[in-house]
Amino acid sequence: GAGVSQSPSNKVTEKGKDVELRCDPISGHTALYWYRQSLGQGLEFLIYFQGNSAPDKSGLPSDRFSAERTGGSVSTLTIQRTQQEDSAVYLCASSLGPSLAGGSEQFFGPGTRLTVL
Amino acid sequence: AQSVTQLDSHVSVSEGTPVLLRCNYSSSYSPSLFWYVQHPNKGLQLLLKYTSAATLVKGINGFEAEFKKSETSFHLTKPSAHMSDAAEYFCVVSDRSFNKFYFGSGTKLNVKP
Repeated sequence: GAGVSQSPSNKVTEKGKDVELRCDPISGHTALYWYRQSLGQGLEFLIYFQGNSAPDKSGLPSDRFSAERTGGSVSTLTIQRTQQEDSAVYLCASSLGPSLAGGSEQFFGPGTRLTVL
Repeated sequence: AQSVTQLDSHVSVSEGTPVLLRCNYSSSYSPSLFWYVQHPNKGLQLLLKYTSAATLVKGINGFEAEFKKSETSFHLTKPSAHMSDAAEYFCVVSDRSFNKFYFGSGTKLNVKP
């Protein structure tokens, strides 16, 4: 079956513009995560959606960042008034969600490389 | 609070020799621990995970990791490196509710012929 897909694969924008990044999770996965991977860094948690619960937004770096998940499936990460320090690869992952056996495996998309000029 | 420290940013081994990638974690309670691999221009893939069952966990491609609570470590090993193992490896710890995953900064493995 299809894995996690993200679009666009690359995005170049000018400082101050808004951008939208899209994530299509694996069908049936209730959990969806957004991460940011800056050059030479590990993955930085941004936001987490689980089913119909309120999202965990604790990782969003500023109020310029927001995300929504429509119908429990597709998610969009929006960055307003982009800054050069927002340049990074944005990764989306989905999973079956928490389980009694421990954290479910996360399946990652290929990422969106964002460059802010 | 949860955190992960990967002790080496780069590791270089010769093909056929053992691989050791080190990871130490900090957790307020019994953690779940994972190793992910990221090949160049590819997505992240789960290698193995520990969730409080057997302390020695076997993963894909001949990798394994041992959970050592006394040392707060979860080092990744492989007896014999292959050229295809060249990639970046991430150690990950999850919180008690398994909602959030905390990634280490990664270790780039180079395999020399």
